[in-house]
Amino acid sequence: AQSVTQLGSHVSVSEGALVLLRCNYSSSVPPYLFWYVQYPNQGLQLLLKYTSAATLVKGINGFEAEFKKSETSFHLTKPSAHMSDAAEYFCAVEGTGNQFYFGTGTSLTVIP
Amino acid sequence: NAGVTQTPKFRILKIGQSMTLQCTQDMNHNYMYWYRQDPGMGLKLIYYSVGAGITDKGEVPNGYNVSRSTTEDFPLRLELAAPSQTSVYFCATDRDRNTGELFFGEGSRLTVL
Repeated sequence: AQSVTQLGSHVSVSEGALVLLRCNYSSSVPPYLFWYVQYPNQGLQLLLKYTSAATLVKGINGFEAEFKKSETSFHLTKPSAHMSDAAEYFCAVEGTGNQFYFGTGTSLTVIP
Repeated sequence: NAGVTQTPKFRILKIGQSMTLQCTQDMNHNYMYWYRQDPGMGLKLIYYSVGAGITDKGEVPNGYNVSRSTTEDFPLRLELAAPSQTSVYFCATDRDRNTGELFFGEGSRLTVL
């Protein structure tokens, strides 16, 4: 069965510093992987997705993620954090039966 | 276009009461989902539908029911509310399989006392 694990429920970075949010997946077949962002009191919105094309995926707002099969990882990065990046981030994998499985989320705080 | 609309946004229920959370979409998407979000637990799938007249259980369906009589609407029914159903509920849609882009409503916060 497919699943994702997000390491670190809370991450704090200074404004302008590198953002690194970790996600590891478990899948017996090549997975489709996603990162979603949730701003306070809103629904989730798609940041980026990996669908077995390029291993480095670029998303919105300067975020990108790299699919590493050898490490079963799909970490999310951004070179320079902005105050507006403060939000909760979810990694997800598409499983069988049209279902998506979400990680437990990482809350990102950006310190001015 | 409104996208995915959920009502109500907030509701307080007493134990044993029933209610329906409404979800309507105007994007003509075939796939619709109901998730619940609990602190530190991420999102768990309750029910989903791949088209009008077709529904299926997700990870945590107990205590809930759904129907899908039209493409636009996917209501979630709680028959006998329990404190364990206190949560934030999200409806989401997808155009088709493997697009990977779920469109979410703004959520419905339910408290059962």
